Amino acid sequence: DAGITQSPRYKITETGRQVTLMCHQTWSHSYMFWYRQDLGHGLRLIYYSAAADITDKGEVPDGYVVSRSKTENFPLTLESATRSQTSVYFCASSALTGGYGYTFGSGTRLTVV
Amino acid sequence: EDKVVQSPLSLVVHEGDTVTLNCSYEVTNFRSLLWYKQEKKAPTFLFMLTSSGIEKKSGRLSSILDKKELFSILNITATQTGDSAVYLCDTTGGGNKLTFGTGTQLKVEL
Repeated sequence: DAGITQSPRYKITETGRQVTLMCHQTWSHSYMFWYRQDLGHGLRLIYYSAAADITDKGEVPDGYVVSRSKTENFPLTLESATRSQTSVYFCASSALTGGYGYTFGSGTRLTVV
Repeated sequence: EDKVVQSPLSLVVHEGDTVTLNCSYEVTNFRSLLWYKQEKKAPTFLFMLTSSGIEKKSGRLSSILDKKELFSILNITATQTGDSAVYLCDTTGGGNKLTFGTGTQLKVEL
């Protein structure tokens, strides 16, 4: 199906483990984004990518790594998960920059125990 | 540091009421302001505003931007229980930086 899909939907992992959250979009949108959503903070940008092989840090990048070898995929990796990374993670894509409407994936709820 | 502040944080209204949600911002090289509705899952796009004083309208929802006073409002008329959600405001500034407010939690009761 066309759209933006995230996997897994739910994940529980232990402190110190590496975790990768997947994001796939079928529109060939240039821009892709990763956000985390926490109570009291709203949505905060972790990393974004303007095109394949081009990534940049957002507001809260520490502890995360991204890659964009193909336009359609933008995985987010927690190299050594910490409890503070327990959150809901949203992936989004956009055809253009300049504030055009973004489309969000359905989110991944990650719990680090 | 760029900042987006939404108010109120939460409110409860009765069906049929009209509500006004506020979003004020301090953003370097402001380019646009967007409104989203978030129910149980991911936010869904409502409006994008780039020009001051031009109202965007979709059914019972409307929004307007004031670039001089640095704020936007989202109006919902004749509210319904299906309007219950968190409404998020986000701005795009210089360097494609996106800044979200913490949202307004709206609950519409019968």
